Formats: sequence, C-alpha cells, structure tokens
Amino acid sequence: QKEVEQDPGPLSVPEGAIVSLNCTYSNSAFQYFMWYRQYSRKGPELLMYTYSSGNKEDGRFTAQVDKSSKYISLFIRDSQPSDSATYLCAMSEQAGTALIFGKGTTLSVSS
Amino acid sequence: GAVVSQHPSRVICKSGTSVKIECRSLDFQATTMFWYRQFPKQSLMLMATSNEGSKATYEQGVEKDKFLINHASLTLSTLTVTSAHPEDSSFYICSARASQETQYFGPGTRLLVL
Repeated sequence: QKEVEQDPGPLSVPEGAIVSLNCTYSNSAFQYFMWYRQYSRKGPELLMYTYSSGNKEDGRFTAQVDKSSKYISLFIRDSQPSDSATYLCAMSEQAGTALIFGKGTTLSVSS
Repeated sequence: GAVVSQHPSRVICKSGTSVKIECRSLDFQATTMFWYRQFPKQSLMLMATSNEGSKATYEQGVEKDKFLINHASLTLSTLTVTSAHPEDSSFYICSARASQETQYFGPGTRLLVL
C-alpha cells in the first residue's frame, strides 16, 4: 500500500461548481499537510498548508484534515476555468522535511 | 510568496553526456533544498535532500554517483546528471525550504536524453 493515495481523476465540473479533492494516507506520524496546484509543465504552487487536524480557509479554498481517519480534503468553491490544473496533496512527519506526494488529481473546469 | 528559479527550463542532450541543473532561491536563504523527479502522470518522487555546506542525503534507489548534488551557498543548489541515458529523461523539480513549515518549488527542468 502506498503511503499517500489520491484519485488521479480526471475530474470535470462546470464553472461555479463546488469541487472536492481528497487524499488518504497510511502513516499516522504525518502531521503537516499541504495542497499544491500544478499547471502543465510547471512546478507545484503551494495553495494550502495545515498542521494536524482541523479546517483552514483561504478565499475560495478550504482544507480539511481528519487525522483519526487519515483523510484530507480540499474544497474549491465557485470553481473557475483558471482552476483547471493538477492538484497534489503532500504531507510530512516533521516541519520542513521532504514531502510525500499523492499522484495528483487532474481537474477541468468548463465555462 | 518566495521565489525559486531553475535553469535551464528545458534541455536536450545526447546519451552519455552530463547535464547540470541549477536551483536558486531568489529572495530568501535556504539551508535545505530538495530535488524531486516527476515522470509523466506520476507524482513527485524525492531524489535527495541537499543541505548547505554538507553532503546530500539520497533516497533509496537513487545513485549518488550519477546524480551529483552540490549546495555551495544558501541560495544555490545544483544537480548534475552524469552520463545521462534515455531513461533519465524526466521532469526535475527542486524546492527550497523558506521556513520551518513551508517550502517553495521551482518551475522545473524538463530533461530529454536522446
């Protein structure tokens, strides 16, 4: 079993929809959880950073971490065509250490 | 946010040659940088952790003599792919640790070995 599982999609939604992206993991020692957005042939861009369990909101984006279920989510409200990208979850046991990534979910938002 | 650059963005080389990729943190100092490799439709896989002034730490299965890493200053780390072969063709991405919690990624370098 891989450490981090993420459904690769693709996920296609109409503009304005609410998008839910998820990852599960097996290592209970993970404490730091991140979501990155990656456009084609570009490096990942940090979207959200969360420590331990709980919710964090930033504009249209909400990140949730449920450590008891080893499950993290990213919600995108009022999705826009510019949100079309691959979304990668990443996590680490300690702050500032190398990240373990999911495979990424490809999202397509149509206008 | 913090900016990390990589050079070159794309390189094509012949099999057997060596290629150097630079990773720079432009507006912050990074004592730690990471090198990842990403194959098409795959996730980023950590290759090595680069610490300024010391030897890099390589992940299992990554040949340290083939992927030479030098972190000579707080703003620059280099990855040299020695004697490159077609199977080394990939997207190489570095990240730099800006704080205890966050790290920022470069735009990546696409390597094609013919």
